Amino acid sequence: DVKVTQSSRYLVKRTGEKVFLECVQDMDHENMFWYRQDPGLGLRLIYFSYDVKMKEKGDIPEGYSVSREKKERFSLILESASTNQTSMYLCASRTGGRGYTFGSGTRLTVV
Amino acid sequence: KQEVTQIPAALSVPEGENLVLNCSFTDSAIYNLQWFRQDPGKGLTSLLLIQSSQREQTSGRLNASLDKSSGRSTLYIAASQPGDSATYLCAVRRVNRDDKIIFGKGTRLHILP
Repeated sequence: DVKVTQSSRYLVKRTGEKVFLECVQDMDHENMFWYRQDPGLGLRLIYFSYDVKMKEKGDIPEGYSVSREKKERFSLILESASTNQTSMYLCASRTGGRGYTFGSGTRLTVV
Repeated sequence: KQEVTQIPAALSVPEGENLVLNCSFTDSAIYNLQWFRQDPGKGLTSLLLIQSSQREQTSGRLNASLDKSSGRSTLYIAASQPGDSATYLCAVRRVNRDDKIIFGKGTRLHILP
């Protein structure tokens, strides 16, 4: 089975900090995705990547950036964390016509 | 623009009953449809994936159907158990270059012991 591992289950950061959320998949998938999930708003796509060093903006990229230096790792970066970025962050990967595999999520609180 | 709707938003069912969760989508030009389960505070677990050429998929007590022409999918859960309590989400992958999937808001299922 494909595994998507998010390095932290819970994070608490201060406003203005630079925050890194890490995601690693172990099945050589080309495509990786970052979502955030908020009550009443559902899942919203932040950024995705088709391959190493490639990135595409999703629906809500403002305040975020990403890095994909290696195929298995896709990092989400909050350049200057703000309280409205408090959320559940979910990473996913996919290859070809297969379905998506999600990680267990990172609950980020910005204080 | 593809929109995915899941109604009802919440459902309570006595243990042992069979039940159906609904998912509807506005654009029938889909690549596939995937059902997920999410437990509180956790990530999404994939349950079933139906390709656009398929009509249904089965896994254990779960059966998912797809009717593209009517823009509907159902997730059938047989002999429900308290452990089935979770939020169930459907997601549609579109047939276009941007490869995004569109999620419904989910149905929160509570199985009453």
